[in-house]
Amino acid sequence: DTGVSQNPRHKITKRGQNVTFRCDPISEHNRLYWYRQTLGQGPEFLTYFQNEAQLEKSRLLSDRFSAERPKGSFSTLEIQRTEQGDSAMYLCASSYDRDLPYEQYFGPGTRLTVT
Amino acid sequence: AQSVTQPDIHITVSEGASLELRCNYSYGATPYLFWYVQSPGQGLQLLLKYFSGDTLVQGIKGFEAEFKRSQSSFNLRKPSVHWSDAAEYFCAVGNSGTYKYIFGTGTRLKVLA
Repeated sequence: DTGVSQNPRHKITKRGQNVTFRCDPISEHNRLYWYRQTLGQGPEFLTYFQNEAQLEKSRLLSDRFSAERPKGSFSTLEIQRTEQGDSAMYLCASSYDRDLPYEQYFGPGTRLTVT
Repeated sequence: AQSVTQPDIHITVSEGASLELRCNYSYGATPYLFWYVQSPGQGLQLLLKYFSGDTLVQGIKGFEAEFKRSQSSFNLRKPSVHWSDAAEYFCAVGNSGTYKYIFGTGTRLKVLA
């Protein structure tokens, strides 16, 4: 098992452009989470999926943000019309609901810089 | 509202010295508590977790933490710090309802040789 992977690791984009990030969870994990981490802060919850169903979204997830997990495996997070305030590390995590609860395994993150 | 407070933004210790990182939480029910470590440019690695039972939990890399319900605390300790422990440490609380974690703002540990 290679753990949670995220691509790309770094993304530099100009304000107003759209970006998409991908997360591949640990293979048997049915829960997948997205967090955002800005400099000097802890990660903040954005959204989570159980299988392909998106069960909760944070108010941080504005209408410019959309997340999908079409077949209950990998997930994508898209940001439309990026703003400088979107610059952050975007972390993905996964867990298995039959494990001791809520131990989430994190990927290395995608660092987004909006210029 | 649920929250996690890590009062120390930066801590500096000498190699070989003991370490205690503080974490206080606000939560209405029995929380699930976690400590994660993050090295520069990396994701989060779980050090230890508490769900129930023995309030002193052992983790990886020689770390331990003690859950004190009366003080709403879950402090992380290590008896002898190594230079490789320099990193940022995050305390998090989870629950059975929403599954999401709430993280503290982190404590950055610097280790002096």
